[in-house]
Amino acid sequence: QVQLQESGPGLVKPSETLSLTCAVSGYSISSGYYWGWIRQPPGKGLEWIGSIYHSGSTYYNPSLKSRVTISVDTSKNQFSLKLSSVTAADTAVYYCARQCDYGDYEGVFDYWGQGTLVTVSS
Amino acid sequence: DIQMTQSPSTLSASVGDRVTITCRASQSISSWLAWYQQKPGKAPKLLIYKASSLESGVPSRFSGSGSGTEFTLTISSLQPDDFATYYCQQYNSYLGITFGQGTRLEIK
Repeated sequence: QVQLQESGPGLVKPSETLSLTCAVSGYSISSGYYWGWIRQPPGKGLEWIGSIYHSGSTYYNPSLKSRVTISVDTSKNQFSLKLSSVTAADTAVYYCARQCDYGDYEGVFDYWGQGTLVTVSS
Repeated sequence: DIQMTQSPSTLSASVGDRVTITCRASQSISSWLAWYQQKPGKAPKLLIYKASSLESGVPSRFSGSGSGTEFTLTISSLQPDDFATYYCQQYNSYLGITFGQGTRLEIK
């Protein structure tokens, strides 16, 4: 069974960099798939942040691209998110998820982490 | 980027009702559309992929249809467990991924 678990600070100061890690178990990242980050501000909808392929290639939401870096560490079977220059508008539950890259499932998120709330406040 | 617009934003219905949620894309996305169900405090759960394919383990009362720019999610006979928020999501290999704003399905 594939499982994803987000970890990282729950509180980040404005203008600083938000850093989260997603540990994957039950599947080897180096075997395939994209791996993505999605966020959800309190009481609002879902926003895709970006995704990384197992090989390391990335693509990002154009509205966040200038502030986002996603990386993968296949030796630890985990991938990470960095979001720079955060403001209160970046307060959200951050989810990591596995994104399918084949056939009719292409682009679909089939396994999700439980999510972690990150609050931006001084 | 591609905008996804869901309607209605909120839907009130009763157990046993047939309900339909609509999702419109700002440009054609062929059939690259998925539907998710989200309950409070939980991660979204995949229901439908490629516009009309039912994910394994999802009850057959859920169905999806559409292509191009207009899509629907139908629940044929609402069950108590179905009251949740539903999101559509499009995928485009060049323009990325976007979600609809969500439809909250509440008990009438």
